[in-house]
Amino acid sequence: NAGVTQTPKFQVLKTGQSMTLQCAQDMNHNSMYWYRQDPGMGLRLIYYSASEGTTDKGEVPNGYNVSRLNKREFSLRLESAAPSQTSVYFCASSMRDNDNYGYTFGSGTRLTVV
Amino acid sequence: KNEVEQSPQNLTAQEGEFITINCSYSVGISALHWLQQHPGGGIVSLFMLSSGKKKHGRLIATINIQEKHSSLHITASHPRDSAVYICAVTSGGGADGLTFGKGTHLIIQP
Repeated sequence: NAGVTQTPKFQVLKTGQSMTLQCAQDMNHNSMYWYRQDPGMGLRLIYYSASEGTTDKGEVPNGYNVSRLNKREFSLRLESAAPSQTSVYFCASSMRDNDNYGYTFGSGTRLTVV
Repeated sequence: KNEVEQSPQNLTAQEGEFITINCSYSVGISALHWLQQHPGGGIVSLFMLSSGKKKHGRLIATINIQEKHSSLHITASHPRDSAVYICAVTSGGGADGLTFGKGTHLIIQP
């Protein structure tokens, strides 16, 4: 059972380049999330999707776009990467928008923008 | 917005010691989560609790809703427990994700 799978694990981009981070879950979870983790700060929510076909902004959405392709997949796109987007990105999923269910995290994508 | 504070930020202890990590939050919640992250690794969910106490192996998590406070305890600590422990909360009302503390970096020395 794979859980939440993120690709790629590592990426180096030049300023201005674009890329898409992929996330897929095989647990039939309704809700999916993208977080970023920076040194000295807690994880922060970028975007989330409560269900297939819906997406909403989180705490730090600027410079990102997302797509909930289907129930399994939730991608994060950087249209024009900036050094401030250097971070570790985590995708997560939960069963539904019911807080009685736990969260499952992917293994992370370490992104460096030079 | 909920503010989640953890203490201590860093903790070094000897193998076998009893460890306590604290978490407090500012606004009422529907659930509190304890997560573990090893260096360079992914994030693993340890506990989710909305009241009382939960135990899993050598780990114990408690929550006091009235005081807006939770503790994570590790009994008979071992070097493999060395990791960052993160407290996170959900405020309910929708799938709007977790609000995280900054984590406690725990090192257990042999």
